[in-house]
Formats: sequence, structure tokens, C-alpha cells
Amino acid sequence: AQSVSQHNHHVILSEAASLELGCNYSYGGTVNLFWYVQYPGQHLQLLLKYFSGDPLVKGIKGFEAEFIKSKFSFNLRKPSVQWSDTAEYFCAVNEADYKLSFGAGTTVTVRA
Amino acid sequence: DGGITQSPKYLFRKEGQNVTLSCEQNLNHDAMYWYRQDPGQGLRLIYYSQIVNDFQKGDIAEGYSVSREKKESFPLTVTSAQKNPTAFYLCASTGPGGTQYFGPGTRLLVL
Repeated sequence: AQSVSQHNHHVILSEAASLELGCNYSYGGTVNLFWYVQYPGQHLQLLLKYFSGDPLVKGIKGFEAEFIKSKFSFNLRKPSVQWSDTAEYFCAVNEADYKLSFGAGTTVTVRA
Repeated sequence: DGGITQSPKYLFRKEGQNVTLSCEQNLNHDAMYWYRQDPGQGLRLIYYSQIVNDFQKGDIAEGYSVSREKKESFPLTVTSAQKNPTAFYLCASTGPGGTQYFGPGTRLLVL
């Protein structure tokens, strides 16, 4: 089974600061990669995904992620965060059978 | 509106009791999943079903059971054998392309 590591458990930053959340996975074959976000009291929703092609993928709300195959990484970035980005962020990876393996999650708190 | 519904939103279980969590989807997706979310552990896969009348154990299936009699429905039963059932339970389905879509979740609490 896949192992997915998210480097930070809790990140606290101020509005307009840049955000980068690390994600590494263990499987060396073909994978699909996802970032999901869970805003307080809301559904888990898809932020962005990578299946193939350009390794720099753009998602909703100004987020982007870069797939670096040689490093088994799929880090999430946002140049300037807003208070509304306060949420829990999950990296997920699947192989051919659509089962997802999730990281432990990173709680992001943005202070106004 | 297409989507995934889960009920109830909160569920209380007494010791020794089996409880069933409902998950329904109208997205016409073949594959459905149950996850358990605990603080600091992310989501862990309990059971999944890729087609009607077929399902497989995930990473933490012990103490749980499922059925998949209809494409739209994938109920999860938390049995008395599950010794630590307090958690947030999420149901998901997968459409073409492999993206999973999640329901709003059910929070199970033990009395």
C-alpha cells in the first residue's frame, strides 16, 4: 500500500504570506495525485489533481501544486493566503485501482 | 442536484450495539468507499465497492461490515466488535477519471 507523508501537522501564518505544504509518497510507479481541502464544517472537496502532462497543476482558489517524479513529491503552494484559506489540507495518492491513500493532513491557520 | 448524501449527521452508539450509517449517491458512479477520519491520522479506508454486489476490505475493516445491493447505496454497519468506533465517517464515490467525491460525513459517538 502507498505511504503518504505530509511534513507539517499545523501551519500558522498571516494573511498575504506564502504557503507551501509538502507531500511525499512511496510508490514508484504510475500514480494519480490529489490535494483535498476541508474547510471548517464543510465537505472534503477537491483542490487540484495531477494525472499526467504538465507537472505544474493549477487548482481552485489560486492554489497550485508541482509534481516532481524524481523526488516522489507533490507540494502544494499558494503565493498569498487569505483568512478564508484556514482549513485542513490532505494530500492523496492512488494507483491503478482508484483506492486513495491519504496523508495525515495539515491544519492551516491564517491570522488576519 | 447531484451528489452524495450521508445520514445521520450525528449518531450515538451504546456499548454492544450495532449501528448503520447511510450513504447514497445519485452521480451514477460505480465505485464507492468508506473512510474513517481521526485527528492527526488522515483518512483510512474501511471498505470499498467497485460494482454492485461486490466489495473489498480496506486497511481497517475489522469491526465493520457493508453491503452493496444497489448502485446508489453503500451502507456501513459499525458492529459491537469495533472497540473504538468514535470517529468521523466519510463516504465517497469515484467517477470516470478517478476523482473521488465525498459526502458530508457522519460523526459517531459512543455513549
